[in-house]
Amino acid sequence: GAGVSQSPSNKVTEKGKDVELRCDPISGHTALYWYRQSLGQGLEFLIYFQGNSAPDKSGLPSDRFSAERTGGSVSTLTIQRTQQEDSAVYLCASSLVAQVQETQYFGPGTRLLVL
Amino acid sequence: AQSVTQLGSHVSVSEGALVLLRCNYSSSVPPYLFWYVQYPNQGLQLLLKYTSAATLVKGINGFEAEFKKSETSFHLTKPSAHMSDAAEYFCAVSGYGGATNKLIFGTGTLLAVQP
Repeated sequence: GAGVSQSPSNKVTEKGKDVELRCDPISGHTALYWYRQSLGQGLEFLIYFQGNSAPDKSGLPSDRFSAERTGGSVSTLTIQRTQQEDSAVYLCASSLVAQVQETQYFGPGTRLLVL
Repeated sequence: AQSVTQLGSHVSVSEGALVLLRCNYSSSVPPYLFWYVQYPNQGLQLLLKYTSAATLVKGINGFEAEFKKSETSFHLTKPSAHMSDAAEYFCAVSGYGGATNKLIFGTGTLLAVQP
């Protein structure tokens, strides 16, 4: 079937605005992950979902960041009052189950630029 | 201490030459190691993973990696480089620091292949 999809592919916003990033995982995958890729910090884990719950949200950098998952499928990452340091590529991944040896399949990412 | 360290942020090889990309892991890291490749403006694609079944792991596109506990290494190799191998390569670990399946990535190695 189709891979992980993310939208939008690119987003330009002004400092202080809110943005929503969407992820559609592979059908049937119960685990969903968000990562951030930036020049200064490399690839960082943000949060992961098992079903609709988030057992590990330790990577969210501030309370401006939140995420939800509904129906065990689509997830939305919301960044409130965006700052320039939020500029990065946001990657979503999914896996069949949330186990350490499971392969995570990545989407193409959303490139966010905060002006 | 870093859980995974990639030595060499940039590696350049000639087409047809051996590719060797280095990854060392912390000795406290459980044996769930991954190599991912990222082509420009794309997400991450799994090349191979080690989950303690066999120390020599074969992946896609002719790549392989050997888990060496005595050296705490998981280097990625390919006998003969192709122009299409030019990309960024990430070593990653899961399960580090507790029962969590988030991926922790190295800083990446950008591979250039010269004609």
